[in-house]
Amino acid sequence: KAGVTQTPRYLIKTRGQQVTLSCSPISGHRSVSWYQQTPGQGLQFLFEYFSETQRNKGNFPGRFSGRQFSNSRSEMNVSTLELGDSALYLCASSLVPQGLIGYTFGSGTRLTVV
Amino acid sequence: ELKVEQNPLFLSMQEGKNYTIYCNYSTTSDRLYWYRQDPGKSLESLFVLLSNGAVKQEGRLMASLDTKARLSTLHITAAVHDLSATYFCAATSGTYKYIFGTGTRLKVLA
Repeated sequence: KAGVTQTPRYLIKTRGQQVTLSCSPISGHRSVSWYQQTPGQGLQFLFEYFSETQRNKGNFPGRFSGRQFSNSRSEMNVSTLELGDSALYLCASSLVPQGLIGYTFGSGTRLTVV
Repeated sequence: ELKVEQNPLFLSMQEGKNYTIYCNYSTTSDRLYWYRQDPGKSLESLFVLLSNGAVKQEGRLMASLDTKARLSTLHITAAVHDLSATYFCAATSGTYKYIFGTGTRLKVLA
């Protein structure tokens, strides 16, 4: 059974650019959430999607956005990149939000902004 | 707003010893989760605790939940080197929001 797939694994971007990260959940999972992980701030919730609708959003500026498609795949977009956006971005999926077995996380996309 | 705190942040222990990681959360949470993260890797789900008094065990790890005290513990019994990792707890805020603790970096010394 395939796990949660995130692409790309690594990305280097320049300040001011924008970036799109992709997440394919486990087949059948309809809930996809995104997290930013940095050494200073730890794991911070970005947003969660369920059945193509954003159900909740963390405390991030509007430069961070996302969407979910009908096949449950999700994308996250960050516009006007800042140095502080450098982080590991993790996607997690679950059959339903806050499932009984927890979320399954992908390997992450490591974004470096220079 | 829900806040989740873990302690200690760092833990260095000898093989064979026991220790407990604590996870406190500030407001009511329906569920409590524990995850493990190895360096450079993603998070692996360890336990899901659903109700007050819940206790789950897997190998040398045992997790418990006290919703009245807003406290979960992860107890390590007779630690081995393979348990070296960072452990995170996470609590839920509403149906669609998941707040992680700061993480506890565990190093088990031979």
